[in-house]
Amino acid sequence: TQLLEQSPQFLSIQEGENLTVYCNSSSVFSSLQWYRQEPGEGPVLLVTVVTGGEVKKLKRLTFQFGDARKDSSLHITAAQPGDTGLYLCAGEFNKFYFGSGTKLNVKP
Amino acid sequence: GAVVSQHPSRVICKSGTSVKIECRSLDFQATTMFWYRQFPKKSLMLMATSNEGSKATYEQGVEKDKFLINHASLTLSTLTVTSAHPEDSSFYICSARLDRGTEAFFGQGTRLTVV
Repeated sequence: TQLLEQSPQFLSIQEGENLTVYCNSSSVFSSLQWYRQEPGEGPVLLVTVVTGGEVKKLKRLTFQFGDARKDSSLHITAAQPGDTGLYLCAGEFNKFYFGSGTKLNVKP
Repeated sequence: GAVVSQHPSRVICKSGTSVKIECRSLDFQATTMFWYRQFPKKSLMLMATSNEGSKATYEQGVEKDKFLINHASLTLSTLTVTSAHPEDSSFYICSARLDRGTEAFFGQGTRLTVV
């Protein structure tokens, strides 16, 4: 059973398009992280959100933490081929549990 | 961000042998380290949580006698896959954090292939 569900699982878009990835749970998290992983490498931390309703921006990436701290979203504006990768959310629930992952492919 | 080093990055071993994977926090002291397993094109599955100086806490379904975890110091945790079998072949990743409520940083992973 997955504590965190991500959607969509796969996303293939053209360069320049916008996209949103969702991370949902029935549990409340003290914090939530978003990671990006390249094949054969470990995940790299993108952002941590802690406060319900918090919004953080990282260049073209916008992260939002739900008011109830049960869900989060990642929005990418004007996607580029370099954004291609596996995006993972992870919630802290004493330990870090990962979402099911979203495989993003941005075509030039 | 903080640096976590995992070694080796790749290892091939024969069936029945044991393999040790090291996870080191290079620029901070990690009170907690986590070990994950990742299957191709899948997310990370938490195997166990390791706290310095105490026994590891294993997730349900993970055999503690098969996956031995030792967290001997604040900068080193090891995962030993004992009597490895081909089905143990996988990508193993560790992460470390300073304290509860702080961010976790990941090693680069170890690709284990059992032949």
